[in-house]
Amino acid sequence: EVQLVESGGGLIQPGGSLRLSCAASGFTVSNNYMNWVRQAPGKGLEWVSYVYSGGATFYADSVKGRFTISRDSSKNTVFLQMNSLRAEDTAVYYCATLHDSGSYFYWGQGTLVTVSS
Amino acid sequence: DIQLTQSPSFLSASVGDRVTLTCRASHGISSYLAWYQQKPGKAPKVLIYTASTLQSGVPSRFSGSGSGTEFTLTISSLQPEDFAIYYCQQLNTYPLTFGGGTKVEIK
Repeated sequence: EVQLVESGGGLIQPGGSLRLSCAASGFTVSNNYMNWVRQAPGKGLEWVSYVYSGGATFYADSVKGRFTISRDSSKNTVFLQMNSLRAEDTAVYYCATLHDSGSYFYWGQGTLVTVSS
Repeated sequence: DIQLTQSPSFLSASVGDRVTLTCRASHGISSYLAWYQQKPGKAPKVLIYTASTLQSGVPSRFSGSGSGTEFTLTISSLQPEDFAIYYCQQLNTYPLTFGGGTKVEIK
């Protein structure tokens, strides 16, 4: 069974940094597209970043140059390093991976990041 | 990027009503579309994928149709547990974008 468990969220001041983790089980992260999707309070879903099985990474324009996605195959975990955080980065951050068919996402439970002074 | 536009953004309906939600894509995406249901404080839950395939365990009152740029999600008889926000997602091209959502509320 595919499971994704996010951690690392919290309250951080503007300009600060935070690293989110997504521990996966039931599959191998290095063989899958791994994504981060966020949802600001009361808003819709926004795709943030992915790392491809071959290692290529891609980012939404809103986070490019500030966020870095990476993975640790030995821990079967994906990370999102978030630097230069802004108030508008406040959101629940979900880790998500594609079903084998490539037809939909499996989701974690999310972790809340609040950027505020 | 492929833009997805959902309509309506808000829908008020009664238990037992038949409701239809629409998702339009800015470019053709074949049948690479999924529908999710989200309730407060929870992660999205997949209902339909490849436009019309019902996810295992999802009630048969949910159905999806469409291809190319226009898609619909239909709930044949709205139940109390169906009041939620519904999102479409295209899986044709990265970034895998989402629609803005349709909130279904009790009339």
